[in-house]
Amino acid sequence: QVQLQESGPGLVKPSQTLSLTCTVSGGSMSSANYYWSWIRQPAGKGLEWIGHIYTTGNTNYSPSLKSRIAISVDTSKNQFSLKLSFVTAADTAVYYCARNLDYWGRGTLVTVSS
Amino acid sequence: QSVLTQPPSASGTPGQRVTISCSGTRSNIGDNYVYWYQQLPGTAPKRLIYRNNQRPSGVPDRFSGSKSGTSASLAISGLRSEDEADYYCATWDDSLSGPVFGGGTRLTVL
Repeated sequence: QVQLQESGPGLVKPSQTLSLTCTVSGGSMSSANYYWSWIRQPAGKGLEWIGHIYTTGNTNYSPSLKSRIAISVDTSKNQFSLKLSFVTAADTAVYYCARNLDYWGRGTLVTVSS
Repeated sequence: QSVLTQPPSASGTPGQRVTISCSGTRSNIGDNYVYWYQQLPGTAPKRLIYRNNQRPSGVPDRFSGSKSGTSASLAISGLRSEDEADYYCATWDDSLSGPVFGGGTRLTVL
């Protein structure tokens, strides 16, 4: 059974870069053609797709966040990462990583505050 | 504004059957599989339904999914108090080349 676990700082200052890593266990990321996503959820609100990456390195990003996002993958570590630059309070949310729409991590809360 | 449209709230009494709708377009629901999730407070979304109507192991058969055209539905029969949660639909969108979500439906068990 594949499992995903998010990790990274829980507090980021405004205008800085949010960096998160998702570690995948229970199978190799390269074993099939899945897409590996980042999804976020502000408190009391719905789910928002941020972007995703394939193990080929091909990415696709949400149009509303595209200018600030970079998603990368390290198949040797079975990990993929998110960088979101120039953060504001509006980026405060629980961030989830997921494989397709099937398997999700437990999420990590990132707060943007000085 | 979510790409998929769900009613913001639904309710029912214990033992009742409740349905939650999810409306989209041809580029998302119309041509792709629909997923449904249950989210309890403070927890990650839990997959209830995948590929329109398939249940992962461990999900009770009280939960069922269906799809017709550009709409999908989640039905919960034999409603129980522990079913009180937020429910989300999701699918792939061919125009966006990414997944899209409904705004969520808060289910209250009266």
